[in-house]
Amino acid sequence: NAGVMQNPRHLVRRRGQEARLRCSPMKGHSHVYWYRQLPEEGLKFMVYLQKENIIDESGMPKERFSAEFPKEGPSILRIQQVVRGDSAAYFCASSLSGQGSNQPQHFGDGTRLSIL
Amino acid sequence: GESVGLHLPTLSVQEGDNSIINCAYSNSASDYFIWYKQESGKGPQFIIDIRSNMDKRQGQRVTVLLNKTVKHLSLQIAATQPGDSAVYFCAENIAGAGGTSYGKLTFGQGTILTVHP
Repeated sequence: NAGVMQNPRHLVRRRGQEARLRCSPMKGHSHVYWYRQLPEEGLKFMVYLQKENIIDESGMPKERFSAEFPKEGPSILRIQQVVRGDSAAYFCASSLSGQGSNQPQHFGDGTRLSIL
Repeated sequence: GESVGLHLPTLSVQEGDNSIINCAYSNSASDYFIWYKQESGKGPQFIIDIRSNMDKRQGQRVTVLLNKTVKHLSLQIAATQPGDSAVYFCAENIAGAGGTSYGKLTFGQGTILTVHP
């Protein structure tokens, strides 16, 4: 059984460029979450999506950041006009169900984003 | 704001000893808790979870204890092995209106567990 797959594992961008991070959830999972982790810190929630719907984006900056989870294909976290402060590890998680039940979230190995 | 935090940032043990990692939470509305293990360069790996209607749950070599009175969570690892060396995070899920859970996890800062052979 394939776990949560994220790509690329490492991404280097120059200031002002766009970064696209992809996440394919575990088979059968329809709930996707994105988290951000700075060095020696815990993960911080960014956004929670179901297929074609954003359920909770309370942790995502209002500008430059967007996320989608289309009917077909992976979930995408997009960061426009990147700045040095965007450098971090971005983790995606998926769960079998979300609202209304307690199901563990299973994480991918993340994308390490470095901004030059 | 309300958050999940850890008492001890680092823990060093000898192989074969039992390890206890602690976590305090402040949100009484939290209804679901998860322990994750994170190795260098990898994502958090699910270890064990517990719902707020329980006070203890056991897995293979791990036990999670929940004390809602003092809002405290602990992870016990029996017969700790060098492969258990990692950063351990507790995470909480806060129940929303009507008892539903929103799925959003709030993580603590982590405890570094080092196991010496």
